[in-house]
Amino acid sequence: KQEVTQIPAALSVPEGENLVLNCSFTDSAIYNLQWFRQDPGKGLTSLLLIQSSQREQTSGRLNASLDKSSGRSTLYIAASQPGDSATYLCAVSSQDQAGTALIFGKGTTLSVSS
Amino acid sequence: DVKVTQSSRYLVKRTGEKVFLECVQDMDHENMFWYRQDPGLGLRLIYFSYDVKMKEKGDIPEGYSVSREKKERFSLILESASTNQTSMYLCASSPGRGRANVLTFGAGSRLTVL
Repeated sequence: KQEVTQIPAALSVPEGENLVLNCSFTDSAIYNLQWFRQDPGKGLTSLLLIQSSQREQTSGRLNASLDKSSGRSTLYIAASQPGDSATYLCAVSSQDQAGTALIFGKGTTLSVSS
Repeated sequence: DVKVTQSSRYLVKRTGEKVFLECVQDMDHENMFWYRQDPGLGLRLIYFSYDVKMKEKGDIPEGYSVSREKKERFSLILESASTNQTSMYLCASSPGRGRANVLTFGAGSRLTVL
């Protein structure tokens, strides 16, 4: 059964730092991987989606990489800002089938201080 | 802007009551999902549906049922609410087969069962 792990569970950094969030998964036969952001008490917002054939995706100050063979993904946040404070979750989709659901990690809670 | 709308942000119910959580999406998505999110346990899939009148059990379907009579609406039903069903419930949708399954989430429904 696919398991997704995110380390660290929490991270505190000063404003302006570059940082990396880690995600690992046990079954490398994934269809895609997504990174989400969740603000307290709110739903999830999709940040980046990486298909299994891709190595990375970029959106603004965010860059996500994928290494399927090692079962790892990283989310790189450049020049962090207090507004980046949130919980970041990664999730994998294991099959290319209609209705396939995502399996989530438990998230990394990021706090950026000004 | 595309949306997944959950009918209630906060609900308080009593043990044994029947509870309906409604979710509507306006993106003509084929797939819809119900997750619950609990501290320390992350997001866990309850049920999902990849077509009207179709449903599939997720990881924790016990105590829940679902209904999808129309493509845009996916309802989660707690037949007899119990205190261990106090949680944040998140609905999501995604396009169907052959399209990138980026999930769009609703804002969540926080249910308290007394």
